[in-house]
Amino acid sequence: KNEVEQSPQNLTAQEGEFITINCSYSVGISALHWLQQHPGGGIVSLFMLSSGKKKHGRLIATINIQEKHSSLHITASHPRDSAVYICAVIPGAQKLVFGQGTRLTINP
Amino acid sequence: NAGVTQTPKFQVLKTGQSMTLQCAQDMNHEYMSWYRQDPGMGLRLIHYSVGAGITDQGEVPNGYNVSRSTTEDFPLRLLSAAPSQTSVYFCASKTGQGSYEQYFGPGTRLTVT
Repeated sequence: KNEVEQSPQNLTAQEGEFITINCSYSVGISALHWLQQHPGGGIVSLFMLSSGKKKHGRLIATINIQEKHSSLHITASHPRDSAVYICAVIPGAQKLVFGQGTRLTINP
Repeated sequence: NAGVTQTPKFQVLKTGQSMTLQCAQDMNHEYMSWYRQDPGMGLRLIHYSVGAGITDQGEVPNGYNVSRSTTEDFPLRLLSAAPSQTSVYFCASKTGQGSYEQYFGPGTRLTVT
C-alpha cells in the first residue's frame, strides 16, 4: 500500500463545477504539499500546509492531521484548471513522498 | 532569478551510453534533489544533497551518480543507460532546515532505446 493515496485518480467535470481532490497518508508528517503539473509542463507549488486551511484565489486546501487527510478544492472550475494535481507529504525535514496524482479535466 | 533550470529538455540515448543531466538554481538553496516520474507512479527520489560536498541516496539510486561541488549545481549522471531509465527527470531545490517548500525545474524527458 502506498504511503500517500489520492482519489480520484481521474476526474472530468464541466466548467463551473466545484472540484474536490482527496489525499490520505499513513505516516506522520511535518507538512503536506499540493502541486500542479500541466501537460508537458513543469511542477509548480500550490500550497504548503501543516494545519488548518489555506486559500489562494479559487483554490482552497485543508488538512486534518489527526485523520491524516487533506483535500484540495477548486471553486468555479475553468478549463485552464485542467492539470495533474499531486499531493506530497513531508515525513521529515528533507524528503517528499508523493501520491500518484489526480488528472483533472474541465470541459467548457 | 531564473529559479531552477534543467538541460537538456529532451534526450534520446542508446542502451549503454552515458550522459549527464544538468540542474542549476540561483536562489542560494542548500537542498537539491533529483526525482524521476513514471506513468502510474508518483515521483520518486533518486539522490539528494543538503549542501555543497554532501550527497545521499534516495529511493531509487541505482544506475545514477551525483555530485555537488557548488551550491548552484547538482548534475545527475547516468553511467550506462538502460531502457528502464526512460522517464521524466525533475530537479528540485529548497532552502535548508526548517523550510519545506520545494521548487521544481521544468524537467528532462529521457528515452533510452
